[in-house]
Amino acid sequence: NAGVTQTPKFQVLKTGQSMTLQCAQDMNHEYMSWYRQDPGMGLRLIHYSVGAGITDQGEVPNGYNVSRSTTEDFPLRLLSAAPSQTSVYFCASSYGANSNQPQHFGDGTRLSIL
Amino acid sequence: QQQVKQSPQSLIVQKGGISIINCAYENTAFDYFPWYQQFPGKGPALLIAIRPDVSEKKEGRFTISFNKSAKQFSLHIMDSQPGDSATYFCAASRGYGGSQGNLIFGKGTKLSVKP
Repeated sequence: NAGVTQTPKFQVLKTGQSMTLQCAQDMNHEYMSWYRQDPGMGLRLIHYSVGAGITDQGEVPNGYNVSRSTTEDFPLRLLSAAPSQTSVYFCASSYGANSNQPQHFGDGTRLSIL
Repeated sequence: QQQVKQSPQSLIVQKGGISIINCAYENTAFDYFPWYQQFPGKGPALLIAIRPDVSEKKEGRFTISFNKSAKQFSLHIMDSQPGDSATYFCAASRGYGGSQGNLIFGKGTKLSVKP
């Protein structure tokens, strides 16, 4: 049981480039989400999904795009990378959009934008 | 507007001592208050959680104290060990379904336990 798998673990991009951060979970979780973690800022929600085909914006969605074509996968796309998007990105999943359900986090993607 | 305020930002405790981290929230609709523990290079992991119908929850050396009237909750780590050195996040969410389940995180506390 792999849990939540994020790839790549590290990435360096140039300003203006685009890329996709991958997230996959093998726990049949309905709810998936993306956070960014910046020093002194905690974790801020970017986008989330309550099931396949359904996505919505979180607190800091600008510059990011998501889709949820399957239950297992929830990729995060950076459309045109900016230095302000340098951060550590975490994907999380849980059984439902239900406050009783613990969220399981991946180990993150460390992204640097030059 | 920061909905969950966490303090202190950093904490140094001697081995065997008590670590205390505090959080305050603003939205009275919040009804789930988890604490997450994060080690360097890893994602956060759920440590312990509480709902507002109880004032305290204990799991091993970890205790959450909850004060609904003051809109505050805290994490107490008894007999702190060097292996407890990590960053701790409090969080809150409200209700069920859709965005209700989204967690709002505090900014984190970096705990160092000195041997």
